[in-house]
Amino acid sequence: DQQVKQNSPSLSVQEGRISILNCDYTNSMFDYFLWYKKYPAEGPTFLISISSIKDKNEDGRFTVFLNKSAKHLSLHIVPSQPGDSAVYFCASQGDSNYQLIWGAGTKLIIKP
Amino acid sequence: EAQVTQNPRYLITVTGKKLTVTCSQNMNHEYMSWYRQDPGLGLRQIYYSMNVEVTDKGDVPEGYKVSRKEKRNFPLILESPSPNQTSLYFCASSLQGGRGKNIQYFGAGTRLSVL
Repeated sequence: DQQVKQNSPSLSVQEGRISILNCDYTNSMFDYFLWYKKYPAEGPTFLISISSIKDKNEDGRFTVFLNKSAKHLSLHIVPSQPGDSAVYFCASQGDSNYQLIWGAGTKLIIKP
Repeated sequence: EAQVTQNPRYLITVTGKKLTVTCSQNMNHEYMSWYRQDPGLGLRQIYYSMNVEVTDKGDVPEGYKVSRKEKRNFPLILESPSPNQTSLYFCASSLQGGRGKNIQYFGAGTRLSVL
């Protein structure tokens, strides 16, 4: 059973608009969350993270929101740009150690 | 340039023929890890290493071996590959494996096909 779920395999957004990518987790012991971005033929690269003591973290056009009661986090990209087209992975730090638990990824397509 | 280097990038082999995928990092990272990525399943950890001569199983270790004789290198060994090991493999490293901020840096991936 997947502990981290990204229920949308793909998402298409108009350039300039907001992109919202969602991630749900099941383990209430998870206390650190990360978003990675992956282009074709490259490895994932770190984008932004959030600790469970916060409910929001912002870095330029990227903002991650955490709703602990709902076990839900989301990544907002405003405004969306063509270079944002990529696969986005959500990852949670495991409750027992340093292991990262990964979602299946969401492919974001930014339309010109 | 700080990087994680995997070789080869692409590999086609046959069932039972031993192979090794190399991974090297130049960031003096203590923690290294191998993942496989399969459609709809995200990244699943195969093995990880907290430091030289310290390795441990991840979620899907069956059919794989690793070694960590030097800090910079963490090869993945498939002693007798089978078709269900056809996948995209990533090596990653981070400064430390402790709790909290654990930003991992990834290699570009190795696409393996086992016929």
